[in-house]
Amino acid sequence: QQQVKQSPQSLIVQKGGISIINCAYENTAFDYFPWYQQFPGKGPALLIAIRPDVSEKKEGRFTISFNKSAKQFSLHIMDSQPGDSATYFCAPRGSWGKLQFGAGTQVVVTP
Amino acid sequence: DAGVTQSPTHLIKTRGQQVTLRCSPKSGHDTVSWYQQALGQGPQFIFQYYEEEERQRGNFPDRFSGHQFPNYSSELNVNALLLGDSALYLCASSSLAGESGDTQYFGPGTRLTVL
Repeated sequence: QQQVKQSPQSLIVQKGGISIINCAYENTAFDYFPWYQQFPGKGPALLIAIRPDVSEKKEGRFTISFNKSAKQFSLHIMDSQPGDSATYFCAPRGSWGKLQFGAGTQVVVTP
Repeated sequence: DAGVTQSPTHLIKTRGQQVTLRCSPKSGHDTVSWYQQALGQGPQFIFQYYEEEERQRGNFPDRFSGHQFPNYSSELNVNALLLGDSALYLCASSSLAGESGDTQYFGPGTRLTVL
């Protein structure tokens, strides 16, 4: 059972453009919705997260939009920079803090 | 603050062997979770340790076992290695106490290759 579906699998965006990554989930018991950023050879690093009582959260160039009724949340990267080139994972949290990772989205920002 | 540390960085083993991976959590964290990340995939939850006991387990066979020590550090043991066990093994630490709540912070991982 695939509880978390992330899309797209990869995307290419020009410098200064907007990257949008979507995550759909099935488990209504998830209580925390983070996005992680991972560079090659490194562990995932928390980028931004939202709790289900909030519909949107913005931190700098990164925004999470959360739609509880649709069981979806998305990551928007504004003014994309080459340093944003990485793999991004949604990882909603279930019981006892278990993170359920999506398959990942590889983002490439071209100069 | 050293963050989450893992050792070794890389490891090469042959099928049937046993391996032990180590993790030191971020200062102030008391909970350690282990994840397996196959190449090109998202991390998969193996198990979580709190107060030296396994609190939750993912869909992994009994060949995967762990331990947490009184100083909150942890070990992941894998017996009878299979080729399919080749992956990046990630340790994440967290704590309900503190400003960050129970956010999980990941280490750099141990790259295990089984030949």
